[in-house]
Amino acid sequence: GAVVSQHPSRVICKSGTSVKIECRSLDFQATTMFWYRQFPKQSLMLMATSNEGSKATYEQGVEKDKFLINHASLTLSTLTVASAHPEDSSFYICSARASDRDTEAFFGQGTRLTVV
Amino acid sequence: LAKTTQPISMDSYEGQEVNITCSHNNIATNDYITWYQQFPSQGPRFIIQGYKTKVTNEVASLFIPADRKSSTLSLPRVSLSDTAVYYCLVGDIGRAGTALIFGKGTTLSVSS
Repeated sequence: GAVVSQHPSRVICKSGTSVKIECRSLDFQATTMFWYRQFPKQSLMLMATSNEGSKATYEQGVEKDKFLINHASLTLSTLTVASAHPEDSSFYICSARASDRDTEAFFGQGTRLTVV
Repeated sequence: LAKTTQPISMDSYEGQEVNITCSHNNIATNDYITWYQQFPSQGPRFIIQGYKTKVTNEVASLFIPADRKSSTLSLPRVSLSDTAVYYCLVGDIGRAGTALIFGKGTTLSVSS
C-alpha cells in the first residue's frame, strides 16, 4: 500500500530553536497533506491542511507564524516549529491521501518533539 | 463532519472476539465510516472502511445497520498485540482536501 514517511522520528531541541519535520509520500502524489498533533493520552488534533503550491489552512487556535507549513512539491510537506518552547513538545503526525477520490488516508510514523 | 461517540476503554482476553460500537447519529449521506488503530508513539493505521451493511477484510469486520447511525468494529480472536487505541471516524473522505477528524477513541487492553 501507499507509504507516508516522516523524518525525523524523534528530535530533542533547545528552547528557542526551530525544528523542521518532513513528510513525504513515497509512492504517490499528494496534493493535500494534513498535520496533526497528539499530546500524551489524548487523541490526534488536526493542526493544518497543507496544499501543494498554496498556503496552508490552519485550524482555529493554531498559530500559523509558529507552525510554518511548506508544501513545495506533490511528495513533500514540511512543518517547521519556530522558536520552539517546552509546551510545543508533542507527537506530530502527517497524513496524505493518494488522490482526491481515494478513500484511505495514510499516516506517517510520527515525530516525537521534545523541547528542553 | 459527524461527531462520533465510542467507549473510552474496553478489556478483553486473548482469543476472544471484541466488538467496539461507535455512535454517529448525525452521519451525512456522503459520509463513510473508517476505523483506525494506533499503537503508542506510532501513526494511526487503517483497519477497515464501509458505507453500509457489512464489510470484512483479513483483520476485522465492520457492521453498519441500515440507518447508519452506528457501526461496530469486530475483531475476531484478539491477541496481546491488538492492545491499542481504536478510532472511529466519519466523514465525506471523497471530498478534496477533507481531513479526518479524530474523536477520543477506544483503548482496548488485551490480557493473557
